[in-house]
Amino acid sequence: ELKVEQNPLFLSMQEGKNYTIYCNYSTTSDRLYWYRQDPGKSLESLFVLLSNGAVKQEGRLMASLDTKARLSTLHITAAVHDLSATYFCAVAYSGAGSYQLTFGKGTKLSVIP
Amino acid sequence: IAGITQAPTSQILAAGRRMTLRCTQDMRHNAMYWYRQDLGLGLRLIHYSNTAGTTGKGEVPDGYSVSRANTDDFPLTLASAVPSQTSVYFCASSAGEGYEQYFGPGTRLTVT
Repeated sequence: ELKVEQNPLFLSMQEGKNYTIYCNYSTTSDRLYWYRQDPGKSLESLFVLLSNGAVKQEGRLMASLDTKARLSTLHITAAVHDLSATYFCAVAYSGAGSYQLTFGKGTKLSVIP
Repeated sequence: IAGITQAPTSQILAAGRRMTLRCTQDMRHNAMYWYRQDLGLGLRLIHYSNTAGTTGKGEVPDGYSVSRANTDDFPLTLASAVPSQTSVYFCASSAGEGYEQYFGPGTRLTVT
């Protein structure tokens, strides 16, 4: 069974600061996704990471994947209030004859002015 | 471009009643999924369908059933609702197994 752990689960940071969210997973996988969820809204896809060493950047967010360490990071640069949301990583795994995503519990980010 | 639609947006349901949550996608995706989201537990997979005509059980399937008669629709049925099924339900779809999933707007269900 694949386990996906995110940390921290809650993060309060000041505008302008940098921080990293970590996503560890327990078994081999070559696909990892990051999603964003605003309060009361649905999940929005942010990044798709498909290979070891993959790095994707969009604005102040940068995601990377190390399949050997079973670790993905989501780095926030010079945070702004608009980045306040909950961020989920999701790891693809093959089990019981099907290929599914297992989600972390999410990191709730609050950016304080 | 609608993507994925879900209905109803929210519902209050008496325990013991039957309820079907509707999900329709217009992206011609092969795979569709139902998740429930509960505070502190993240998203948990209820049922999935990798292609029309097939379905499978996820992590928390008990009390729920699904069908996939065609590519576009994937309804979720609660045969006899219980309060523990109070949750936000998300439908999602993807081009194939293990691919990026796109989510619908969600249905907020309260079972009293």
